[in-house]
Amino acid sequence: GQNIDQPTEMTATEGAIVQINCTYQTSGFNGLFWYQQHAGEAPTFLSYNVLDGLEEKGRFSSFLSRSKGYSYLLLKELQMKDSASYLCAVRDSNYQLIWGAGTKLIIKP
Amino acid sequence: TAGITQAPTSQILAAGRSMTLRCTQDMRHNAMYWYRQDLGLGLRLIHYSNTAGTTGKGEVPDGYSVSRANTDDFPLTLASAVPSQTSVYFCASSDSIAGGGTDTQYFGPGTRLTVL
Repeated sequence: GQNIDQPTEMTATEGAIVQINCTYQTSGFNGLFWYQQHAGEAPTFLSYNVLDGLEEKGRFSSFLSRSKGYSYLLLKELQMKDSASYLCAVRDSNYQLIWGAGTKLIIKP
Repeated sequence: TAGITQAPTSQILAAGRSMTLRCTQDMRHNAMYWYRQDLGLGLRLIHYSNTAGTTGKGEVPDGYSVSRANTDDFPLTLASAVPSQTSVYFCASSDSIAGGGTDTQYFGPGTRLTVL
């Protein structure tokens, strides 16, 4: 079967750096997405990786290793507003998104 | 630009009743999707439509039906609701059918449905 694994919850301090990991086993690979979802709201797109390496977008970076079935989302200079769930999703060979259950990130002052 | 709108925002429904969740997008996206999100689980695809006039089944299609009469609208119908259909339902859309760029999905605000 297809599987996306992420930690259920993480805690970090305001101003610090946090890395959220995602490992996947899917039938085919056509890209990996990270979304942010605040409580009670819709997921919003953060980043997309299809080739190995690091994609940087302001305070957020996302890394992909296709050979290891592994990605991480790196958040720098954490702010209280970064408290949210972070969803990892992989597009499979049928071009459907397979979603992880999400990582709830708690930011403490 | 509104993006994607969903209605209603929330609903309490008696078991056995039918209901249609509405979804409209103004981005002229080809593809549209319906997901349900339950605590502790990832988003699960119910049905999708790659283009107007076509629909397909996702991971959890049983008990749900969809139609895609035009580009903008993609309603989801529960013919006879059951308590296990209590969930938050998200509609999403994306620009391309398959391949071709990132094909990023954009989400509506969701409908919170409780079936009693």
